[in-house]
Amino acid sequence: KNQVEQSPQSLIILEGKNCTLQCNYTVSPFSNLRWYKQDTGRGPVSLTIMTFSENTKSNGRYTATLDADTKQSSLHITASQLSDSASYICVVSAYSNFGNEKLTFGTGTRLTIIP
Amino acid sequence: GAGVSQSPRYKVAKRGQDVALRCDPISGHVSLFWYQQALGQGPEFLTYFQNEAQLDKSGLPSDRFFAERPEGSVSTLKIQRTQQEDSAVYLCASSSSTSGTTGELFFGEGSRLTVL
Repeated sequence: KNQVEQSPQSLIILEGKNCTLQCNYTVSPFSNLRWYKQDTGRGPVSLTIMTFSENTKSNGRYTATLDADTKQSSLHITASQLSDSASYICVVSAYSNFGNEKLTFGTGTRLTIIP
Repeated sequence: GAGVSQSPRYKVAKRGQDVALRCDPISGHVSLFWYQQALGQGPEFLTYFQNEAQLDKSGLPSDRFFAERPEGSVSTLKIQRTQQEDSAVYLCASSSSTSGTTGELFFGEGSRLTVL
């Protein structure tokens, strides 16, 4: 069964500090890996999408890495801001028997930034 | 529209009632997805449309769940004879991808269903 595991479950850091969130997956056949930010009571918003051949991708203060050999990804947040407080969800895409991609979502890391 | 719009945002139903949740995707987006997100969990796939065709409904948990997109734009997720375990946030997402790949997904804010 395709699975995506994230760690830590929750994290509290001081404003201005950096942090790294982890994602391990067992999904095949692999298509791409995505990181989403989900504010409380809102829908997920895409941060990055990486294909098999991409090792790293940045979006402002967010940098995602992908190691397709070990099936691990990380999301690094630099110089955190209060608005970064949210759940960060790792999502891995696999091709389904129906010809479409099927997304498997992790349960997310709940990040809280404190002033 | 500017984004994916879902209604109602909140719905409280008595067990056994039927509910209908609406999704208005981004104009011109071919692909539309429904997900179910239980409290504290990541979203789980329910069904996928490409235009009006429902190409994948493998995630629908039971035959009480039914989705349609008759004109290839607005979609409705219907749940018949609701049960307490149906309580969740139902997320709709759309994509401009036309090749069967997911592409970049744009999510609505979800419809929170509570079944008493």
